[in-house]
Amino acid sequence: LAKTTQPISMDSYEGQEVNITCSHNNIATNDYITWYQQFPSQGPRFIIQGYKTKVTNEVASLFIPADRKSSTLSLPRVSLSDTAVYYCLVGSNDYKLSFGAGTTVTVRA
Amino acid sequence: DTAVSQTPKYLVTQMGNDKSIKCEQNLGHDTMYWYKQDSKKFLKIMFSYNNKELIINETVPNRFSPKSPDKAHLNLHINSLELGDSAVYFCASSQDTGNSRETQYFGPGTRLLVL
Repeated sequence: LAKTTQPISMDSYEGQEVNITCSHNNIATNDYITWYQQFPSQGPRFIIQGYKTKVTNEVASLFIPADRKSSTLSLPRVSLSDTAVYYCLVGSNDYKLSFGAGTTVTVRA
Repeated sequence: DTAVSQTPKYLVTQMGNDKSIKCEQNLGHDTMYWYKQDSKKFLKIMFSYNNKELIINETVPNRFSPKSPDKAHLNLHINSLELGDSAVYFCASSQDTGNSRETQYFGPGTRLLVL
């Protein structure tokens, strides 16, 4: 199972773009990269998933370089309600997903 | 309707007691999970069940015993509670085989405090 490393915390202000980079040097060929978001006092929820290049949805964008050893979650124009913990996961055909400690993003007014 | 529900939401108990946490999902999923989240937000998988069969037991003390009466329910029983068991426990489910491509849906969590 590929191990992931991401910053423990990041601070931002409303209206800014937040980019969180996750390192996964041992990613396997079949592994996908998935990000979850956890608001205070709630369970995590899926926000985006990708395999390579760029994926965008209504919440975020995910940038994955050609070597796939890292990925960057981009949150455009954050608001106070984007304050949460963001988890990067890498895995494929197994049940052993490891969420780690995530990145705590704090958005200030 | 809540997709993944857990009861109770809060649980305060004394060391040495036995307690259970219940989880139900109404999504028709085949795979269910229990996770433990500590005070530093580290979220670690404990168990995974697929169609009522245990798939993963991640080095969890045998004081923790999951029970899956049917594929919509995965309960967690904890014997002889210890101070270190204080944490938030999350139940989750996914559609099929536990492939990481499958989105996991989490319950609201059960906040366990052992005194």
